[in-house]
Amino acid sequence: GAVVSQHPSWVICKSGTSVKIECRSLDFQATTMFWYRQFPKQSLMLMATSNEGSKATYEQGVEKDKFLINHASLTLSTLTVTSAHPEDSSFYICSISFGTAGTEAFFGQGTRLTVV
Amino acid sequence: SQKIEQNSEALNIQEGKTATLTCNYTNYSPAYLQWYRQDPGRGPVFLLLIRENEKEKRKERLKVTFDTTLKQSLFHITASQPADSATYLCALVYTGTASKLTFGTGTRLQVTL
Repeated sequence: GAVVSQHPSWVICKSGTSVKIECRSLDFQATTMFWYRQFPKQSLMLMATSNEGSKATYEQGVEKDKFLINHASLTLSTLTVTSAHPEDSSFYICSISFGTAGTEAFFGQGTRLTVV
Repeated sequence: SQKIEQNSEALNIQEGKTATLTCNYTNYSPAYLQWYRQDPGRGPVFLLLIRENEKEKRKERLKVTFDTTLKQSLFHITASQPADSATYLCALVYTGTASKLTFGTGTRLQVTL
């Protein structure tokens, strides 16, 4: 399998500030990474697909200017929540897969964001 | 749009019994259906995958079935243990979507002694 590490595990920030979340693939070069958001007692919702060396692909309804994604290398993708507001408080999780359609995904441990 | 529903939000069973979780979807069938386990405050962990042309898959105490006519997958845990208590998510993958997962609502399983 693959090991995916997210940092930080949790973060508390003030409303209006920006927060960066890192997702690292420790033992696999991932050309594609996925970012999900999970609200309490709800399922994971795909936010965007992060593509190494090119622009991310955002799902419908996700503001690309608010959730900035950078996939500068094959092992690192970052998600920046800009001008965070309390409604952005959620559990953010990244994942990778080996690329072949349908193969299992490997998830990071998630980042709990609380905006106060 | 595709809607994926898993049976009750929570399922309580006694240790040693078989837990059966359901995953129902609308519209078109996926090329693959996957099941994940998620513990509180953690990311999901892959359990099993079944393809649209497969009826059943097994792995140790786990069994998954896939019925494209009923648009349903069943996930069974036999001889359940308290350590099996977690939230279980089904996820659909459609051809041509570059491994994007569409998750179900999840079922929280509680196995008691």
